[in-house]
Amino acid sequence: DAGVIQSPRHEVTEMGQEVTLRCKPISGHNSLFWYRQTMMRGLELLIYFNNNVPIDDSGMPEDRFSAKMPNASFSTLKIQPSEPRDSAVYFCASSSPGALMNTEAFFGQGTRLTVV
Amino acid sequence: KNQVEQSPQSLIILEGKNCTLQCNYTVSPFSNLRWYKQDTGRGPVSLTIMTFSENTKSNGRYTATLDADTKQSSLHITASQLSDSASYICVVSAPGNQFYFGTGTSLTVIP
Repeated sequence: DAGVIQSPRHEVTEMGQEVTLRCKPISGHNSLFWYRQTMMRGLELLIYFNNNVPIDDSGMPEDRFSAKMPNASFSTLKIQPSEPRDSAVYFCASSSPGALMNTEAFFGQGTRLTVV
Repeated sequence: KNQVEQSPQSLIILEGKNCTLQCNYTVSPFSNLRWYKQDTGRGPVSLTIMTFSENTKSNGRYTATLDADTKQSSLHITASQLSDSASYICVVSAPGNQFYFGTGTSLTVIP
């Protein structure tokens, strides 16, 4: 398996523009997570889906952020309108049901977003 | 509140030396604890996983310990190499696929 695939790897956009980040989880995984990583705050969970259904979106910072998972193999994180403080690395991760004691989140390579 | 705290925030050591990273957590109930290594510009990758009943687990030069009573874990790196330079993140899992991340320790190994 190719692992969790994210696109684009880098995105530079102007303040006010819409940004869409994409994620393809590992086939067979039923949980998908979106994280944001900054130097100051480390990794922060934004939202996670279980079987394509959003379970916890309490980490989504503002209404400008939205996430969808239309099917088991694709998810998007959208920021509209984007602001400079949204600049960060956004990671997508997926995990399988598996044995509870062995649950692991597998991470994609991340999307580095710069809003100027 | 479920939290994971790591120390030190950053560390610089000479190549060949040993070091120990610390992780304290308050997550309950607890499923497992993982140490992830994150190279610059890449996503985190799991190094070790420890469940409630495990005290020590090794993965090559990496040895993790867990004290479930005091809710503390450590990651010991032996004979460090330049390639060990990375961020090391402690992640505690709770039932229901919940993951709690520490902010990481940035390790720099210098020649």
